[in-house]
Order: sequence, then structure tokens, then C-alpha cells
Amino acid sequence: DAGVIQSPRHEVTEMGQEVTLRCKPISGHDYLFWYRQTMMRGLELLIYFNNNVPIDDSGMPEDRFSAKMPNASFSTLKIQPSEPRDSAVYFCASSITGAPHNEQFFGPGTRLTVL
Amino acid sequence: AQTVTQSQPEMSVQEAETVTLSCTYDTSESDYYLFWYKQPPSRQMILVIRQEAYKQQNATENRFSVNFQKAAKSFSLKISDSQLGDAAMYFCAYRAIFGNEKLTFGTGTRLTIIP
Repeated sequence: DAGVIQSPRHEVTEMGQEVTLRCKPISGHDYLFWYRQTMMRGLELLIYFNNNVPIDDSGMPEDRFSAKMPNASFSTLKIQPSEPRDSAVYFCASSITGAPHNEQFFGPGTRLTVL
Repeated sequence: AQTVTQSQPEMSVQEAETVTLSCTYDTSESDYYLFWYKQPPSRQMILVIRQEAYKQQNATENRFSVNFQKAAKSFSLKISDSQLGDAAMYFCAYRAIFGNEKLTFGTGTRLTIIP
């Protein structure tokens, strides 16, 4: 079975540009999470969805960040405009209600570098 | 708010020996889940072991076991017969059983295996 798919795996962009990160959750999973990993702040939740509806977006740093989940098989995280401090690894994870511990399965991450 | 603390930024162990990674957490909840994740250089997040707070028995997965001390809010990971493939960052994580689905991570411990 395919796991969580993220694209691109690496993204290098210049300050001020728009960046879009993409995620395809595991088929049938009803929860989708976006996490960010930086040296300074470690791993932190940005936002999560349940049945395509945003439930907790308190971790979204500012208005430059937005996330959407138009259907059960696709989500995007957009940064506009990007800044060097946005450089990080962004993980997408998914889980399914009722599974043991509602285990979250992580994608491989997208390493974003903003110059 | 829940917090997770890993006080050992780095640890090293001789191959085939045993090592224990420490984790403490703070929560006002009585029921919750605790996890240890492994992040090798590939940066993929891999679930190593999980513990339900309502279970007194410590979880075990092959060479990996935990020492869960609920009253002390301590959740350490013991790796027995360390192997070169165990070298990675290890993250302790907390998740509530009811309410918010997000994982709260510690800052991680980098484990080095000495041949």
C-alpha cells in the first residue's frame, strides 16, 4: 500500500515567492495533519483536518500560511510570500478514526529552503 | 498546555549494549497516549513504540521497551542489543485520547551507535 505521499521532496525558492506543498493521505484516512520541523522549534503541528474540515489551525504561524483540503485525497499548504525563516521540513501525516491509538502515519517530508 | 521534555540532546552507546533515553511530560489529563518515534537520516518518522496511560503494563516491541511512570510523568525508552541501524533522532510524543488529535513532540535525542 502506498503511504502518505508528499511533493515536492525538496523545494528551493527565493524570498517573496509563493510556495505550495502537496500531500496525498493514505486512502480511507479521515484525519490529515501538517507539521513543521525546524532546529529552533522542533516538530510542531501547524493545522489538522478531519473529514476535510480544518479542526485546529492554532499552529499556523501567520496569515502568510494557508492550508486547504478540497477532497479526501488531497491537501495543500501554501506560503505566500515566503521568507527565509520559513525554511524547514514540512511533514504531512494521516490517520483513521478507530485504528489502534489513531496512529498517525507520516509522509517523507518536504525540505523547503527559502533564500 | 501539554509539554514534552527530552533532557538528553545526544546519547551514544556501544553496539550490542543497552541504552535508555529519557522523556518527561506535563499534562492535566488522566488518560492519554505516549509514543516514541525514530527519525533516521532519511528523515522519515517511524513509530517505534506506544503506551496507553491507562495501562500499567509497560509496552514492549522486540528490543524496544518503555518504563512508564505515570505519577512521575516519566516515559523512558530502553533499547537493548543496540544495532547500527538504531542510529537516529528519537522523539517522545504525547497525544490526548479525547479532544485534540495533535501530537506534541519533545526536542529529540540524537543516538549514536559506536561499532
